[in-house]
Amino acid sequence: EVVLTQSPATLSLSPGERATLSCRASQSVAGSSLSWYQQKPGQGPRLLIYGASTRATGIPARFSGSGSGTDFTLTISSLQPEDFAVYYCQQDYNLRITFGQGTKLEIK
Amino acid sequence: VQLQESGPGLVKPSETLSLTCTVSGGSIRSYYWSWSRQPPGKGLEWIGYIYQTGSTNYNPSLESRVTISLDTSKNHLSLNLTSVTAADTAIYYCARRRYSVSSPYYYYYMDVWGKGTTVTVSS
Repeated sequence: EVVLTQSPATLSLSPGERATLSCRASQSVAGSSLSWYQQKPGQGPRLLIYGASTRATGIPARFSGSGSGTDFTLTISSLQPEDFAVYYCQQDYNLRITFGQGTKLEIK
Repeated sequence: VQLQESGPGLVKPSETLSLTCTVSGGSIRSYYWSWSRQPPGKGLEWIGYIYQTGSTNYNPSLESRVTISLDTSKNHLSLNLTSVTAADTAIYYCARRRYSVSSPYYYYYMDVWGKGTTVTVSS
């Protein structure tokens, strides 16, 4: 099983700042079936990024994903008030799906 | 496409949890369909998925207790989880799983999710 470790657990930033979230896999995610999701209280997850770097339909350009192999990053270039939420990375490789434990992005 | 989970909010220990996910705005005959769950205050756990052909793939940690099925006449999918305990208390989500191709790779992801339904296991 591929274990995904996200860091930091909590990130405190102000609107307008840049956010960098990390996701590290215990083994290489071949083909980078690595996705990022945003979850707000009382809501289901929302797909942001798939294939490590492709934005999903309707996702603002301030969200970007990068990385390959075992190290992946989600960057939010300039935080908007609606971006404060919990973010999960997820891998879908070799018939097994796992999620990271999440990074909570909170207002400083 | 919209997904809506439904089912009993309370299940007794040792009984079977049964949930339905109704798909609207699209056919269940296409794509993969997945179930995940989220215990209170915790992260997401994948349960399993089913393909349009009916083939399934389950999380090994739950495989002995899980069944996912499709009902094409009602355009919905179902989740059955047997012998539940308090550890199965969670919000249960269904989602559409799809892929994009960038040869030679297939990138899988879940692009549409339901709002979730809360299930509590308690006597």
